[in-house]
Amino acid sequence: QQPVQSPQAVILREGEDAVINCSSSKALYSVHWYRQKHGEAPVFLMILLKGGEQKGHEKISASFNEKKQQSSLYLTASQLSYSGTYFCGTETFTTGNQFYFGTGTSLTVIP
Amino acid sequence: NAGVMQNPRHLVRRRGQEARLRCSPMKGHSHVYWYRQLPEEGLKFMVYLQKENIIDESGMPKERFSAEFPKEGPSILRIQQVVRGDSAAYFCASSPRYWGAGNTIYFGEGSWLTVV
Repeated sequence: QQPVQSPQAVILREGEDAVINCSSSKALYSVHWYRQKHGEAPVFLMILLKGGEQKGHEKISASFNEKKQQSSLYLTASQLSYSGTYFCGTETFTTGNQFYFGTGTSLTVIP
Repeated sequence: NAGVMQNPRHLVRRRGQEARLRCSPMKGHSHVYWYRQLPEEGLKFMVYLQKENIIDESGMPKERFSAEFPKEGPSILRIQQVVRGDSAAYFCASSPRYWGAGNTIYFGEGSWLTVV
């Protein structure tokens, strides 16, 4: 049930772009993205509900492809504050409304 | 403070003791989720509860772990006879209702359990 994220880790220089992917083996109702700093709780970034929907949060945006059962998170002109681990959370069409989180992508932005 | 409240934030237990972690969901939220995060690893689903009901406990270890969410009071995650491998951060999250449509889950600050 756990979605798979790629890449596992990425190192960027300030100002560079990155893409983080999240794939599920089950049909998805929604995808949620979170960022977690070391030693802190995950912080909600955005939710995507519809196929092809895109959303943005500052210079971070995401897309959701229902047919492919995947979502991508786009980080543009990365800042030092973007460093952390990014998790996608997926909601499937099963009873119970469970949220399963992806394996996580560690993002490090260096000056 | 209308956020998800967890306590204690840090807990140290000796092997064999019991650990009780408490979670008060956000105001208006009736759904609670518990996740475990081992050092340098991702969030592992443990259990999903509504008031007085366990909806999904497929992520809970079969022994020593239990969870409840009573009609009154916080949700409690109980770990009996703790072992060193139980050392982890335990996050609680809550949501307002059953299905999505804009619904997401919000995390508490976590409870860090250390077993010595």
